[in-house]
Amino acid sequence: QKEVEQDPGPLSVPEGAIVSLNCTYSNSAFQYFMWYRQYSRKGPELLMYTYSSGNKEDGRFTAQVDKSSKYISLFIRDSQPSDSATYLCAMETSGSRLTFGEGTQLTVNP
Amino acid sequence: GAVVSQHPSWVICKSGTSVKIECRSLDFQATTMFWYRQFPKQSLMLMATSNEGSKATYEQGVEKDKFLINHASLTLSTLTVTSAHPEDSSFYICSARPPSGRGPVAGANVLTFGAGSRLTVL
Repeated sequence: QKEVEQDPGPLSVPEGAIVSLNCTYSNSAFQYFMWYRQYSRKGPELLMYTYSSGNKEDGRFTAQVDKSSKYISLFIRDSQPSDSATYLCAMETSGSRLTFGEGTQLTVNP
Repeated sequence: GAVVSQHPSWVICKSGTSVKIECRSLDFQATTMFWYRQFPKQSLMLMATSNEGSKATYEQGVEKDKFLINHASLTLSTLTVTSAHPEDSSFYICSARPPSGRGPVAGANVLTFGAGSRLTVL
């Protein structure tokens, strides 16, 4: 069993839709949770960073962490074609290596 | 914010030749850098941890003699793919942790990635 599970998709939505991306994990020691966005043939860029259960909002993006269920989510409101990318969840304990999910490929259609 | 720069962004080489990829931390010092490999439609796989002034730490299954890593200064790590073959064609990405206060998140030293280097071996 992988430490981090993420549905690879692909996920295709119309412009303006609300997108929900999710990851589950098995290691209860994970403390820090991230979402990275990766455009084709580019390096990942950090979108959201959280370290506690609850919600964190940044513009159209909301990250949600539920440590009791070992479940994290990323919501994208009013999705745009420019949001089309692969979204990778990642998590780590203090001082450990980053563990990535498989990545979900998202396409937002105009 | 802190920037990690990679060069070249794309390289094509003949089978049997060696290719060097550079990773630089542009505005911070990094005693440790990380090298990842990514195949199409797959996630990032950690290959090795590059340590300034000492030997790199390789992940299980990664050939040390195939992927030579040198971290000669606090701002530069290099990955050399030796005697490259078509199966080495992949996307190689480096990363580093800027000090707390220099990275994208205040108070946290979050991993920052380079733009990646695409290697095609003919």
